[in-house]
Amino acid sequence: EPEVTQTPSHQVTQMGQEVILRCVPISNHLYFYWYRQILGQKVEFLVSFYNNEISEKSEIFDDQFSVERPDGSNFTLKIRSTKLEDSAMYFCASKPGQGNYEQYFGPGTRLTVT
Amino acid sequence: DQQVKQNSPSLSVQEGRISILNCDYTNSMFDYFLWYKKYPAEGPTFLISISSIKDKNEDGRFTVFLNKSAKHLSLHIVPSQPGDSAVYFCAASLQGGSEKLVFGKGMKLTVNP
Repeated sequence: EPEVTQTPSHQVTQMGQEVILRCVPISNHLYFYWYRQILGQKVEFLVSFYNNEISEKSEIFDDQFSVERPDGSNFTLKIRSTKLEDSAMYFCASKPGQGNYEQYFGPGTRLTVT
Repeated sequence: DQQVKQNSPSLSVQEGRISILNCDYTNSMFDYFLWYKKYPAEGPTFLISISSIKDKNEDGRFTVFLNKSAKHLSLHIVPSQPGDSAVYFCAASLQGGSEKLVFGKGMKLTVNP
């Protein structure tokens, strides 16, 4: 069964450093998302991406964040200058198309900023 | 901004009994609701969903009920099994646009053998 994959599973970085989190969505899916979950809190929407552009972003997704689909398979989230409060689980998700509400999630990347 | 609320953080039930997980929402524009299950160190896994035009959807041991007037939905698991022990998230979405998911805080279900 096709699945969403994410790498790395755990990333430790120092405050101020840039990180890139990588995702490979399910191959025939057209909508891509990033969510995050700070420890003990709810899963929060960060950004959605469709047709090679951002379709919606949350207030969390400020100028320090960017997304890219550099080729036909990868979907990346970049944090330019990490802060302590960026420490969280980051989940990538994808879905086939408009009106298909079920999103399929990857296993997540645990980002620890020290 | 708590548009989707799961007010009970945990539930413990005996194997074979019914588990009832509740969820409330405030945004009457939501038109699709989903339940996800999450094990530690894994991503959320889709379980069952319901459109706002329905009041019940059933899939094997899992049934979701929607009460739009009360802005309330519930997930029933019958019979509960130890493998059902996980964190369950209620989520909601709006048709059109990005169709992002808005999640509740989750509820930890423990099914005791």
